[in-house]
Amino acid sequence: AQKVTQAQTEISVVEKEDVTLDCVYETRDTTYYLFWYKQPPSGELVFLIRRNSFDEQNEISGRYSWNFQKSTSSFNFTITASQVVDSAVYFCALRERIQGAQKLVFGQGTRLTINP
Amino acid sequence: GAVVSQHPSRVICKSGTSVKIECRSLDFQATTMFWYRQFPKQSLMLMATSNEGSKATYEQGVEKDKFLINHASLTLSTLTVTSAHPEDSSFYICSGSENYGYTFGSGTRLTVV
Repeated sequence: AQKVTQAQTEISVVEKEDVTLDCVYETRDTTYYLFWYKQPPSGELVFLIRRNSFDEQNEISGRYSWNFQKSTSSFNFTITASQVVDSAVYFCALRERIQGAQKLVFGQGTRLTINP
Repeated sequence: GAVVSQHPSRVICKSGTSVKIECRSLDFQATTMFWYRQFPKQSLMLMATSNEGSKATYEQGVEKDKFLINHASLTLSTLTVTSAHPEDSSFYICSGSENYGYTFGSGTRLTVV
């Protein structure tokens, strides 16, 4: 069985603050992929990052950064100098083989509100 | 990049009628298409996985006779909600699998009245 836990249901910060969204996963596979998606109010899912289980290097993309720690099964996402446009629901997801099929399973999501 | 076009974006239908949702992969061949359902303020729940030319595999608790999935070509998958009822009102979103990534459609908001 596998599971993705995003313990923070909602986060609200003031613009320009840094904010970290937590993601903890469980899997028995040695090879797996982790993802982060952004879902703005319009509903579409915006791909942010994909990371495979063999690549533990942290990644930075502009104001976004990700910290992958296999030892703690975490894949946290940090937004630096947050902006109002960052307000959305963010999902962490895990791709692994379940009963012979590759499936993408989502965490519950974190609703991030950036206040001006 | 890869694009999945999903239509319609919104649909309102009367209880008892059927609704078809289409997903087309525009610049890649989606051998596998995933269908998700999302209730308000909840996560995406996988409903079924469809592979081109074969029957869809449904997740536990999803009625295959109610949610008909057809994946007749490498670029088109459809989800038909048959005899829709108000409890079927939800946000439905498809995803095409390409290499190790996923491309999502823009979603369909279904309201059954």
